[in-house]
Amino acid sequence: QQPVQSPQAVILREGEDAVINCSSSKALYSVHWYRQKHGEAPVFLMILLKGGEQKGHEKISASFNEKKQQSSLYLTASQLSYSGTYFCGTEKYGGSQGNLIFGKGTKLSVKP
Amino acid sequence: AAGVIQSPRHLIKEKRETATLKCYPIPRHDTVYWYQQGPGQDPQFLISFYEKMQSDKGSIPDRFSAQQFSDYHSELNMSSLELGDSALYFCASSKTSGSRLGQYFGPGTRLTVT
Repeated sequence: QQPVQSPQAVILREGEDAVINCSSSKALYSVHWYRQKHGEAPVFLMILLKGGEQKGHEKISASFNEKKQQSSLYLTASQLSYSGTYFCGTEKYGGSQGNLIFGKGTKLSVKP
Repeated sequence: AAGVIQSPRHLIKEKRETATLKCYPIPRHDTVYWYQQGPGQDPQFLISFYEKMQSDKGSIPDRFSAQQFSDYHSELNMSSLELGDSALYFCASSKTSGSRLGQYFGPGTRLTVT
């Protein structure tokens, strides 16, 4: 079952913050976050495995709620290089070796 | 650091032809995944291999097949190509035994079917 991402698109000015959400109707084994620039491969940002987990990667961080049904990606003090499409990929319990179902993506545009 | 290698990077084929895409995973990664991504779409899981054995199948057409070889490289074979097969095909690799890690994507093969 495909996770639901919101918003579908967001436009920011440099230095502004954004939150991207990814939700599922069932508890998940893990959530992966990726950023993809046009015509390029998705780039792995981080993986969350535990309910209540929070992880940071410079000014990009993410959380996984206690019920493991929702994850949020936080982008603070955005930079031009943050522009791209952000995908969450979810792994269900009982799935095989990390096979991911991706959300439809959130297109982030950072303007000067 | 070594990354996932895919070849060719671009491929143009005609309808009903066959194509073979190759993937060389990151050394010591035990799992390989294939994804198909259409324009403006999210990546769709096709098939995966764990330690050279097929581990799961997603939305892979019967016209497609894949295998992983003893050196861990993988090939996606596509036959009777259709216009709708035009897409970016990504291979990703990961180490899934022990602590779960993320999947690292190769640069992709852009397949155009005319």
